[in-house]
Amino acid sequence: DTGVSQDPRHKITKRGQNVTFRCDPISEHNRLYWYRQTLGQGPEFLTYFQNEAQLEKSRLLSDRFSAERPKGSFSTLEIQRTEQGDSAMYLCASSFPSGRLNTEAFFGQGTRLTVV
Amino acid sequence: AQSVTQLDSQVPVFEEAPVELRCNYSSSVSVYLFWYVQYPNQGLQLLLKYLSGSTLVKGINGFEAEFNKSQTSFHLRKPSVHISDTAEYFCAVSPYTGTASKLTFGTGTRLQVTL
Repeated sequence: DTGVSQDPRHKITKRGQNVTFRCDPISEHNRLYWYRQTLGQGPEFLTYFQNEAQLEKSRLLSDRFSAERPKGSFSTLEIQRTEQGDSAMYLCASSFPSGRLNTEAFFGQGTRLTVV
Repeated sequence: AQSVTQLDSQVPVFEEAPVELRCNYSSSVSVYLFWYVQYPNQGLQLLLKYLSGSTLVKGINGFEAEFNKSQTSFHLRKPSVHISDTAEYFCAVSPYTGTASKLTFGTGTRLQVTL
């Protein structure tokens, strides 16, 4: 396992269509995060899983967004009825939990979404 | 809540010159601090992190950073840059809560190294 894998790398979609992205974390990691990065900005936290449980969601995650991690391994992020403002890079990251000691998050290469 | 300020959106520098990228943070709780680098159309790669202990942290590619608690800063430095260091650099913090370790990022600093 060489790292966090995201698919697809690029997605162009028409406004109003639904899209789904996949993230495969590093196999030993049970924490998985989704971030969104718009042009010229730093990544912003969207949501976080520990195993299959979605433990936190940002206010950025509107009701058109849904994330799942059904078996505690890979995760999907779906955007329904896409809008031009959804155009961004969607980054996935994974990490170990370590009790009270924070550990680094390893990032995938991202999925760049363009809504036309 | 946490916030991160990277005052310089762009830093131009000549090859082999030293560079400092500035980062200040605000938080009501103790935090861990990170610097990530992002090359065009790529994800983020960790350069270095401060969890505890020595305030001077050394990372990959010759970078280092110093944590200054009184000034709430975590500036990134390199004594001699290379063309290949041209990239976007992000400072980030994560709360020391023992639960979710989500990151809050700054807006990034574009390091442009020229000959």
